[in-house]
Amino acid sequence: SQQGEEDPQALSIQEGENATMNCSYKTSINNLQWYRQNSGRGLVHLILIRSNEREKHSGRLRVTLDTSKKSSSLLITASRAADTASYFCATEGLREGGADGLTFGKGTHLIIQP
Amino acid sequence: ETGVTQSPTHLIKTRGQQVTLRCSSQSGHNTVSWYQQALGQGPQFIFQYYREEENGRGNFPPRFSGLQFPNYSSELNVNALELDDSALYLCASSTGTHSVLTFGAGSRLTVL
Repeated sequence: SQQGEEDPQALSIQEGENATMNCSYKTSINNLQWYRQNSGRGLVHLILIRSNEREKHSGRLRVTLDTSKKSSSLLITASRAADTASYFCATEGLREGGADGLTFGKGTHLIIQP
Repeated sequence: ETGVTQSPTHLIKTRGQQVTLRCSSQSGHNTVSWYQQALGQGPQFIFQYYREEENGRGNFPPRFSGLQFPNYSSELNVNALELDDSALYLCASSTGTHSVLTFGAGSRLTVL
């Protein structure tokens, strides 16, 4: 089952603008991660934020996490055509010992218009 | 440093057949996870292998099985294929059971 829900499902902006994607989840988490996927290929890890962190930056990426609202946002600044892709949030639960894997949302499809 | 490689990249099977997908993990990684991604959906966790044993499993029936070898490579086997098994199968390796994942490009399975 999908835990995370990204919003919007699709987003089209002009090159140079900022893109913001949101993610909501249902259960308590250990961390939340964002991945990018180009054209149905493999996913690429972008950034990880732990449950005790509120904001994290990596290059043009800024991620926020609000555990009280069970939500996260990903901001991509100064977008480029190469940023066109699908973006997924993924949560890791609190289970110790064995793995439950990451729970992914359905993704936001981002299109950057040149 | 080589990344995660998967084979085959595409394959077509008929309902009821069996399929084996293969994955070579990234150098230095000892954990392999498999995910199924249906068209238009996010990946869903199938299972994880660590030290050649299944370390966790998602909501998939027993006809989905796997192996991990001493060199940390892995196989995903699916028996009695159903039409709904058509999907992109993603392998991911990591340095531990709760670490960031490095994904392969996937194997796209079509079941007719």
